[in-house]
Amino acid sequence: GAGVSQTPSNKVTEKGKYVELRCDPISGHTALYWYRQSLGQGPEFLIYFQGTGAADDSGLPNDRFFAVRPEGSVSTLKIQRTERGDSAVYLCASSSGPEQFFGPGTRLTVL
Amino acid sequence: QKEVEQNSGPLSVPEGAIASLNCTYSDRGSQSFFWYRQYSGKSPELIMSIYSNGDKEDGRFTAQLNKASQYVSLLIRDSQPSDSATYLCAVNMDGNTGKLIFGQGTTLQVKP
Repeated sequence: GAGVSQTPSNKVTEKGKYVELRCDPISGHTALYWYRQSLGQGPEFLIYFQGTGAADDSGLPNDRFFAVRPEGSVSTLKIQRTERGDSAVYLCASSSGPEQFFGPGTRLTVL
Repeated sequence: QKEVEQNSGPLSVPEGAIASLNCTYSDRGSQSFFWYRQYSGKSPELIMSIYSNGDKEDGRFTAQLNKASQYVSLLIRDSQPSDSATYLCAVNMDGNTGKLIFGQGTTLQVKP
């Protein structure tokens, strides 16, 4: 079956701009996670959805970051007033149990 | 601060040898442990999960868990050049959310 998909695969933006990153989880997976990975580091947790609600958003670095999952399937991670330090690969994962499966990621570059 | 620690490597082994990758974690109450493989420029791919003390084998891979020592390892038998990648240890320290804490990864190089 289809895995987790993420769009766009690459996003280049300018400092101060707004960006949206999209994640389409594996069909039937109720849990969805966003992580961020910087070069040479492991993924860092951002937010977890169970269904439509954000069950844990403790990893969001500040209020410029926001995520939604309005119908319990597709999720969008939104970043306002982007900064150069936001440059990273943003990974989405979904699960129906303890094992999480990652999408290909979106590489965000803030110039 | 809840942490997962791995030696960043690189760990270099000859083709056909056993590669041993190690990980320690700080939260004694952790229940779920995972190994992901990540090729350069790609996303993490789940290769093993382990939940109970002892060994779990899947093909050439064996995961080992020792909760008393807060230690989890991955053994790769008959290492192949295609096993060359970064191996990420991930621990679920919060059973309510499934949030994973990752180590920084160990780079494995298998030389023909």
